[in-house]
Amino acid sequence: GENVEQHPSTLSVQEGDSAVIKCTYSDSASNYFPWYKQELGKRPQLIIDIRSNVGEKKDQRIAVTLNKTAKHFSLHITETQPEDSAVYFCAAILGAGGFKTIFGAGTRLFVKA
Amino acid sequence: NAGVMQNPRHLVRRRGQEARLRCSPMKGHSHVYWYRQLPEEGLKFMVYLQKENIIDESGMPKERFSAEFPKEGPSILRIQQVVRGDSAAYFCASSPTGTVTDTQYFGPGTRLTVL
Repeated sequence: GENVEQHPSTLSVQEGDSAVIKCTYSDSASNYFPWYKQELGKRPQLIIDIRSNVGEKKDQRIAVTLNKTAKHFSLHITETQPEDSAVYFCAAILGAGGFKTIFGAGTRLFVKA
Repeated sequence: NAGVMQNPRHLVRRRGQEARLRCSPMKGHSHVYWYRQLPEEGLKFMVYLQKENIIDESGMPKERFSAEFPKEGPSILRIQQVVRGDSAAYFCASSPTGTVTDTQYFGPGTRLTVL
């Protein structure tokens, strides 16, 4: 069945360092991969996304890479700041008429000042 | 432009009661998705609806759970005869079209506690 695995479950970095979160997906029909940030007690918010015809996308300190052959995609946050502390979720959305969004289990990122 | 709205934000029910969760999508959005988030876990897809139609309910438990999105009014997720295991945060999201790459905008969630 469809599955998205996300690692690590917890990540602690020093302010200014980089953080990398990795996900793998199982369904090769997936063609859209959003990343969400969720602060404690709040709603998930889209921070960046990537489509299957693109290998990399960057938005200021955030970048996402996609390897369709290996079914891997990753989130990279550079120059981390304390306000980056949150839970990050990757997701894969089935294409070809499917509308189901499968989320990873989340990565709790702590950025220490 | 108001975002996705959900109410109530917090709901307490005793075992066996019914829970009704409401979601008003963003203005101009006709597609609604419901997700459940257990404590310390990710979001699990439950159901995807367009106005008056259920498109994909493959993530919905077969019993006690139902969802609707009428022509007028909010989308409603109904849980009958709640059990303690139903305690979770329930998020809805909306998008303007049903395109796979459409951004889904999330509501603030309803936190259901079953005593």
